[in-house]
Amino acid sequence: QVQLVQSGAEVKKPGASVKVSCKTSGYTFTTYSMHWVCQAPGQRLEWMGWINAANGKTKYSEKFQGRVTITRDTSASTVYMELSSLTSEDTAVYYCARERLWTNNGMDVWGQGTTVTVSS
Amino acid sequence: SYELTQPPSVSVSPGQTARITCSGDALPKQYAHWYQQKPGQAPVVVIYKDSERPSGIPERFSGSRSGTTVTLTISGVQAEDEADYYCQSADSSGTYPYVFGTGTKVTVL
Repeated sequence: QVQLVQSGAEVKKPGASVKVSCKTSGYTFTTYSMHWVCQAPGQRLEWMGWINAANGKTKYSEKFQGRVTITRDTSASTVYMELSSLTSEDTAVYYCARERLWTNNGMDVWGQGTTVTVSS
Repeated sequence: SYELTQPPSVSVSPGQTARITCSGDALPKQYAHWYQQKPGQAPVVVIYKDSERPSGIPERFSGSRSGTTVTLTISGVQAEDEADYYCQSADSSGTYPYVFGTGTKVTVL
């Protein structure tokens, strides 16, 4: 079955970077895009960015532009999200979620989430 | 920025109908999707492209659009439907291609 399995929880100090992975299985990796969505404690979902898994093109939210980098490894069917210059406001759960390319069908499968805690 | 506005909360008795609205200026031109999120869990899409229901989602979930508002309707609400619900869409210019609504907490009384 389709699965998105994310890497484990992270604790980082302010100013550091974090890299979260999202390993996919059960579908053709290059026929979907992958989004990253974050959710601070008690807050709404927030879109961070997106990668076209077929060609590697990315688009980022204005809020995270310059601090977030999304990459993919097609040989490993895995997508990565790196967030730099962390502050306490980046403490959140980070989700990957796929969307079939060129369909605007919404994000139909989500990873389990990765908790990132930023604390000195 | 572009905002999608939802009521913070909706309360409904079991078996009744819950309606959750989402308002945004670009909604007449952009599809909306709806996600259900239970505590401690990842979101699940319950409606996509305004009114399409994914396989495995109960028929009691439906979606509609009228002007600048889209609505998620849960008919015959069950206790298991208690969750947060988010709409998601885009602005008309492409500057904000993926925006989530403010979220609505559905409480089953």
